[in-house]
Amino acid sequence: ILNVEQSPQSLHVQEGDSTNFTCSFPSSNFYALHWYRWETAKSPEALFVMTLNGDEKKKGRISATLNTKEGYSYLYIKGSQPEDSATYLCAFYISYGQNFVFGPGTRLSVLP
Amino acid sequence: DTAVSQTPKYLVTQMGNDKSIKCEQNLGHDTMYWYKQDSKKFLKIMFSYNNKELIINETVPNRFSPKSPDKAHLNLHINSLELGDSAVYFCASTRTPEDTEAFFGQGTRLTVV
Repeated sequence: ILNVEQSPQSLHVQEGDSTNFTCSFPSSNFYALHWYRWETAKSPEALFVMTLNGDEKKKGRISATLNTKEGYSYLYIKGSQPEDSATYLCAFYISYGQNFVFGPGTRLSVLP
Repeated sequence: DTAVSQTPKYLVTQMGNDKSIKCEQNLGHDTMYWYKQDSKKFLKIMFSYNNKELIINETVPNRFSPKSPDKAHLNLHINSLELGDSAVYFCASTRTPEDTEAFFGQGTRLTVV
């Protein structure tokens, strides 16, 4: 059974603060890791697709890093805004053709 | 245009009924999925179809039956609904079974009373 963990479970920050959270996954048989942003009552939206150890991806104020050897990925948000409030999910693949395992998510609330 | 659309968005029904949830994608993707969001908010895969062929069938009750009339549609039919079937169900698609970037529908909140 694949175990994908995310921490913290929830997070409250003030507008303008920078923050980060973690996705931990098994370090063996890594194929890909995805970060999704999920707002209530909307579809999960893909943020980053990460495949190589040492990958760093950036989209605006959000960036992510990947360490496949130790089995973790960080998601960073610089200068958080209220519109960043959402649940951030990571999804871990061990190979194509198999389902991806989602972590439980980190629920971020950015207070104005 | 919505890429992956599910209908209905909300469904309230009585125990024992049979119901269907429809999913359509206009992305030209080959592969479609059904996920169930469990009580702990995890997304768990139920089924996957590639070009109308079943490729993943996780351990779900056989009251759940997916139907794919063509590769743009994957409907979920549930017989003899039980209280424990209450959940949010998400449809998703990927370009191919090897592709890992999924596009999700908005979810269908099923409530069985």
